Amino acid sequence: QSALTQPASVSGSPGQSIIISCTGTLSDVGGYNYVSWYQHHPGTAPKLMIYDVSTRPSGVSNRFSGSKSGNTASLTISGLQAEDEADYYCISYTTISTWVFGGGTKLTVL
Amino acid sequence: QVQLQQWGAGLLKPSETLSLTCGVYGGSLSGYSLSWIRQPPGKGLEWIGEITQSGSTNYNPSLKSRVIISADRSKNQFSLRLSSVGAADTAVYYCSRGGLWWGQGTLVTVSS
Repeated sequence: QSALTQPASVSGSPGQSIIISCTGTLSDVGGYNYVSWYQHHPGTAPKLMIYDVSTRPSGVSNRFSGSKSGNTASLTISGLQAEDEADYYCISYTTISTWVFGGGTKLTVL
Repeated sequence: QVQLQQWGAGLLKPSETLSLTCGVYGGSLSGYSLSWIRQPPGKGLEWIGEITQSGSTNYNPSLKSRVIISADRSKNQFSLRLSSVGAADTAVYYCSRGGLWWGQGTLVTVSS
């Protein structure tokens, strides 16, 4: 299975909004509404930010939102804050009952 | 509150078997998938495999021939075994319950 495609890096200024894309195929992202997003600060465990494409777990800021169109899922972060600077990973369920991560996106808050 | 604590050997020689265990405290194993994920140095996250809510197992095709994930419900813990390790298996290994709760991570280094 091939990793989902994410941009290597994105950046934005405090208060701005950014979008991170996650592109797969009909065998993963496009075929199921089982896409999650993780925030990962180096040296710590990843944190679940979005699951089932657009659902936020309890306690996650509503500045984080998810969506999907066709084979591409997206994570939007609005009102960027310095603490949002981290690596972000998407993960999708696949037709062979496995899960596959994206390559990860480094978010820099300028 | 639910906490996951993982343990196992951190230094292995090539061809040895990696063995990690993840204990779940403050909650049950039931009702959630139980997963293992790893991150090689300088690289992204890689899904290794899971025990589903129904008890079946699914593995990353690239690791399937070497991986076994099992659960001991009497001890409220689950384990990862990865055989015939090589340098490419050097990584931080994480356990996760339902994607929401994670272990602290264990650095496993494979070196002769």
